[in-house]
Amino acid sequence: EPEVTQTPSHQVTQMGQEVILRCVPISNHLYFYWYRQILGQKVEFLVSFYNNEISEKSEIFDDQFSVERPDGSNFTLKIRSTKLEDSAMYFCASSEGTLAGNEQFFGPGTRLTVL
Amino acid sequence: GQNIDQPTEMTATEGAIVQINCTYQTSGFNGLFWYQQHAGEAPTFLSYNVLDGLEEKGRFSSFLSRSKGYSYLLLKELQMKDSASYLCVRNQGGKLIFGQGTELSVKP
Repeated sequence: EPEVTQTPSHQVTQMGQEVILRCVPISNHLYFYWYRQILGQKVEFLVSFYNNEISEKSEIFDDQFSVERPDGSNFTLKIRSTKLEDSAMYFCASSEGTLAGNEQFFGPGTRLTVL
Repeated sequence: GQNIDQPTEMTATEGAIVQINCTYQTSGFNGLFWYQQHAGEAPTFLSYNVLDGLEEKGRFSSFLSRSKGYSYLLLKELQMKDSASYLCVRNQGGKLIFGQGTELSVKP
C-alpha cells in the first residue's frame, strides 16, 4: 500500500540553525501539506501546496518557513533560523484532492528538537 | 470560527461500546473527519462525514448533524489496541482543523 515517507525521523539542532525536513508524498497525489504538533498539543496546519505553489498558509508559517518541491517526488519544509519554540513533531501529508471525502494521508513525522 | 470541542479523556472496558462526541462551529464546513493517533505516531484516517447521518465501517461508526454542528464516533467491541487519542477534524477548503483529541483508555 502506498504511503507518505519522511526523513529524518528525528532531528536535533542548535537554535539559529537552518533545518530541512523532507517528505515523499504518495506518487499520484496532487496536494501536499505540512502540519506540526507541539508535545501535548493539537495538530496544527502550517501550509498547503498545489501545482508548485502555496495554496494556503497559517499564521505560524512566517518568513522563517518555506516549502519546495525540488523534483517530481520530494516535498521539503525549510526553517531558516530555528527557535526553541519550533521544537515539535512535523507531519507531512498528501491527498488526491481537497473535497470533503479526500483523505489526507500522513507520514510518520519528523521530531525536531531545538536546543 | 474554527472551534472544535471534544472531551479530553474517556475510559471504557474491553468489549464495551464507547461514543466520543464532538461539536464544531459550522461556518465554512466542508466535511468532518475522525482520525486516530497513538502516542508518538501520525494520525490515521478512520472515517469522514459530509452529509447528515451515520456512516458505518466495521467496528467504527461516525454520525453527523450539520445543523447542530455535532458529530460522534462510536467504537464497538473495544479492544486494548483501541487505546489512543481520537481526533475530531474539520475539512476547511482542504486544510484540516484538528480538535484537541479525546484520549481513550481501554481497561481489561
